[in-house]
Amino acid sequence: GENVGLHLPTLSVQEGDNSIINCAYSNSASDYFIWYKQESGKGPQFIIDIRSNMDKRQGQRVTVLLNKTVKHLSLQIAATQPGDSAVYFCAENISTGGGADGLTFGKGTHLIIQP
Amino acid sequence: NAGVTQTPKFQVLKTGQSMTLQCAQDMNHNSMYWYRQDPGMGLRLIYYSASEGTTDKGEVPNGYNVSRLNKREFSLRLESAAPSQTSVYFCASSAWGGEKLFFGSGTQLSVL
Repeated sequence: GENVGLHLPTLSVQEGDNSIINCAYSNSASDYFIWYKQESGKGPQFIIDIRSNMDKRQGQRVTVLLNKTVKHLSLQIAATQPGDSAVYFCAENISTGGGADGLTFGKGTHLIIQP
Repeated sequence: NAGVTQTPKFQVLKTGQSMTLQCAQDMNHNSMYWYRQDPGMGLRLIYYSASEGTTDKGEVPNGYNVSRLNKREFSLRLESAAPSQTSVYFCASSAWGGEKLFFGSGTQLSVL
């Protein structure tokens, strides 16, 4: 089947810089996308979501961009802090028709913050 | 709020042993899920329950069974554990299918 994937397995950034984590998806029927943060030894934690009728959504220090033309999703984290160190997953779902079988996850990007 | 609670947090089994992973949510969610997470493989759906009284197979259901005991609880059973089932297991819930998931803290299972 079609899966969500990520461009880079590891991203290293300096503390205070902005981070951009990318995600490519291949299922053109996907219309709901989510970013999760997973710290070591913990379950994934919801960060932000976006539906396909939008191309940008902002949260606290985070922005998600959706480009449906090239099937690309990105998560921008402003002024990266040590607490942002984690693995970040994008996930997709086809909400029309129920989408009851949950989300399809990418393999994750490990964000490392350099002091 | 407790959210999604999983037990146990750690478990070691011998090949062929059985066990049940418990999951409960207190958010009045309709849908519940079991995922497994392996290094380099991301999260893969084992089974899900779209609503109380229903269960369906996910991507990797072989070797597992589930029970949606009531709206709050969704258990995962390994009848005869195999080393290939060594993984971290996550339970999750959502208000409805297709909505964002809330995850438990995981169960780390080792099968020797």
